[in-house]
Amino acid sequence: AQTVTQSQPEMSVQEAETVTLSCTYDTSESNYYLFWYKQPPSRQMILVIRQEAYKQQNATENRFSVNFQKAAKSFSLKISDSQLGDTAMYFCAFMKQMNYGGSQGNLIFGKGTKLSVKP
Amino acid sequence: DGGITQSPKYLFRKEGQNVTLSCEQNLNHDAMYWYRQDPGQGLRLIYYSQIVNDFQKGDIAEGYSVSREKKESFPLTVTSAQKNPTAFYLCASNRAGGIAGELFFGEGSRLTVL
Repeated sequence: AQTVTQSQPEMSVQEAETVTLSCTYDTSESNYYLFWYKQPPSRQMILVIRQEAYKQQNATENRFSVNFQKAAKSFSLKISDSQLGDTAMYFCAFMKQMNYGGSQGNLIFGKGTKLSVKP
Repeated sequence: DGGITQSPKYLFRKEGQNVTLSCEQNLNHDAMYWYRQDPGQGLRLIYYSQIVNDFQKGDIAEGYSVSREKKESFPLTVTSAQKNPTAFYLCASNRAGGIAGELFFGEGSRLTVL
């Protein structure tokens, strides 16, 4: 069975600074995807960034980037130039690659990290 | 605007009562999902449906039931058999052939059992 571990229940960062959220996972699968989802207070959860395990290059989306270490089974999220709107719960998630026709939404989530951006 | 609508936002029920949570989407997505979120526990998959009139159990299906009679709708019934029903319930959807793992979520329904 796959597991996802987020060891930081809460973190805080000053506006405009950089923060890194940690995530480790355990799997025997060779082909899989990793995700960071953001859940702002009282708002819908949205996908922040996605990484395919077969890709060595780390994914980047504007101020968000990941450090994917496949051998170490580590997948951290770096947020640069933090903004007040980044305040949210951040969930790391895993999904094994499914065969054609298989579900593309069965994710295994970590327990989340509550990030507070302070002015 | 396209999106996923969950209702009610807050719901209270007495022990022993069944309750149904509504989830409607106008994104024309094929697949729909129900996740349960508990404080400090992350999200866990209850049920999912990839096509109308078909659905599959997730990791924690016991005490829950679903139906998928229309593409747009995927209601979740929390039955009296569910031992700890107090939780935040999230409905999600995605498109067949879309980005694998990209889920679109509703705003959630918070169920409290008194």
